[in-house]
Amino acid sequence: QKEVEQNSGPLSVPEGAIASLNCTYSDRGSQSFFWYRQYSGKSPELIMFIYSNGDKEDGRFTAQLNKASQYVSLLIRDSQPSDSATYLCAVNSGTYKYIFGTGTRLKVLA
Amino acid sequence: GAVVSQHPSWVICKSGTSVKIECRSLDFQATTMFWYRQFPKQSLMLMATSNEGSKATYEQGVEKDKFLINHASLTLSTLTVTSAHPEDSSFYICSARRTSGISSSYEQYFGPGTRLTVT
Repeated sequence: QKEVEQNSGPLSVPEGAIASLNCTYSDRGSQSFFWYRQYSGKSPELIMFIYSNGDKEDGRFTAQLNKASQYVSLLIRDSQPSDSATYLCAVNSGTYKYIFGTGTRLKVLA
Repeated sequence: GAVVSQHPSWVICKSGTSVKIECRSLDFQATTMFWYRQFPKQSLMLMATSNEGSKATYEQGVEKDKFLINHASLTLSTLTVTSAHPEDSSFYICSARRTSGISSSYEQYFGPGTRLTVT
């Protein structure tokens, strides 16, 4: 059974701090990794994707991938209250299916 | 780019009636679309994978005769909930897969979701 695991949280960080969200996956054949943000009552929104080992930066967001250790993380710099949401990690192993984690709830405290 | 729409955004129907939900990729072609449902405070549950021009692939435990999926074109997939009952009330979300610029890689973009309430 291919799995994607995330800590459900809530992860609370003060405004302006760095929020660090982590995700581990079980399938070593996984090739593509995605981070989605989901506000309460809304659908998920793609914020980052990463395919290669290392870091990928986009604005305040940095995705980090370590295939040897089978984890992918998302860093949010200068966290804002508007970043408060559930963050979903998704993994694709080259098939048509994506495996989603259950999400980490982030609270940014003003 | 990569916009996916859904219609309607919410619907209330009576028990026993059928409801059709449309999912459209507005600025790209999607040979594959996905249908999910999500109950409050729970994670996404994949219901089925919709492939243009062929039959949908349903996940284990999802009744294909109750949740009819038609992927008639490269930009449109529909989900029909037949003979709806109150337990079908949920948030239904579609997504469309878009080919990335990187070989064999795809990104998945979600529609805004449809909130179904069956009374």
